[in-house]
Amino acid sequence: QSALTQPASVSGSPGQSITISCTGTSSDVGGYNYVSWYQQHPGKAPKLMIYDVSNRPSGISNRFSGSKSGNTASLTISGLQAEDEADYYCSSYTSSSTQVFGTGTKVTVL
Amino acid sequence: QAQLVQSGAEVKEPGASVKVSCTASGYTFTSYSITWVRQAPGQGLEWMGWISTNNGNTKYAQRLQGRVTMTTDTSTSTAYMELRSLRSDDTAVYYCARGAKRVDYWGQGTLVTVSS
Repeated sequence: QSALTQPASVSGSPGQSITISCTGTSSDVGGYNYVSWYQQHPGKAPKLMIYDVSNRPSGISNRFSGSKSGNTASLTISGLQAEDEADYYCSSYTSSSTQVFGTGTKVTVL
Repeated sequence: QAQLVQSGAEVKEPGASVKVSCTASGYTFTSYSITWVRQAPGQGLEWMGWISTNNGNTKYAQRLQGRVTMTTDTSTSTAYMELRSLRSDDTAVYYCARGAKRVDYWGQGTLVTVSS
């Protein structure tokens, strides 16, 4: 199972919006609505930001939103803040009853 | 609030085995599967597999088949991940997390260093 494809880095200025893409296949992202997004700060465990494509867990800011079109899922961060600088990973359930993670995207706040 | 607490860091020689524990609290242990994920230094997240805490069924990543075993002890709400025949490229932080198709709460991570 190959990793889902994400851009290596995305940057934006405070207050701007950025979007991170996550491209898979019809056997993972395109086939199921079990796409999640995680935020990871250096030295910390990943934190769930979005689950089931577009749902936010309790306590997660509504600046974070998720969507999916075909085999590509997206995470949008609006009103970018300094604290949003971190690595972001997508993941998807697969047709083999496994999970696959994305390659990861480093978000930089300029 | 759900919480997963993992065992401490380990240093192992190549060829040895390591067993990492993950103790859950704050929720009914048997209501959620446990997923194991690892992250090599400076690298991304790698899914290792999951175990049903309800019936013990497992699913492992193909590349780890034959070297990894995941188990649970429902009496102590603890999940275990054992990795055998360790190699230098198994050096990583190992995480347990709650859930299978969707993973929400994560343990703090356990650093396993493989070195002679």
